[in-house]
Amino acid sequence: AQTVTQSQPEMSVQEAETVTLSCTYDTSESDYYLFWYKQPPSRQMILVIRQEAYKQQNATENRFSVNFQKAAKSFSLKISDSQLGDAAMYFCAYRRDPYSGAGSYQLTFGKGTKLSVIP
Amino acid sequence: GAVVSQHPSRVICKSGTSVKIECRSLDFQATTMFWYRQFPKQSLMLMATSNEGSKATYEQGVEKDKFLINHASLTLSTLTVTSAHPEDSSFYICSATRTSGNSYNEQFFGPGTRLTVL
Repeated sequence: AQTVTQSQPEMSVQEAETVTLSCTYDTSESDYYLFWYKQPPSRQMILVIRQEAYKQQNATENRFSVNFQKAAKSFSLKISDSQLGDAAMYFCAYRRDPYSGAGSYQLTFGKGTKLSVIP
Repeated sequence: GAVVSQHPSRVICKSGTSVKIECRSLDFQATTMFWYRQFPKQSLMLMATSNEGSKATYEQGVEKDKFLINHASLTLSTLTVTSAHPEDSSFYICSATRTSGNSYNEQFFGPGTRLTVL
């Protein structure tokens, strides 16, 4: 079974600064997807960024970028120029490629990191 | 973007009653919907996977007779908590995937339903 570990229950960052959230995962599969989701106080889950395991290039979405280290099974999220609106719970998630196995889109989530942004 | 709604957003019920939560994909067809449960300050726990027209697949430890899931159409899945008890109080979130035919089918999440059982 796949597991996702987020070792930082809480993090804080000064507004306009950069912060990195850590995530490691365990899988025996070669094809999969990795995601970072944001859950603000409203509890609505928002997709921040995704990474396909077959792609060597790290994904970027505006101020958000990842450092994907497939061999090390590491998938960290870097938030640049942090804004007050970035304050939220951040969940790292894993999903197998359904076309490579049993065919499921289900996500496995880490326990989350609560990010606070200090004005 | 794809929108998923849940109804109700909050519900309070008495112990022993049943509560139905609806999950709708508003602007796309979803062959697969997922139901999650989230306790305060914890992660999302997958309860079951719901496929249109077939029986739901429940995760280990989730009582299928207590959490009834029906996925009657490509835009609607319902979760019924039967004979609810205070320990069922939680935040329930659904998500849906498009039927787009490629391997990346993003899950779109509903806003969640807060269930409180008195």
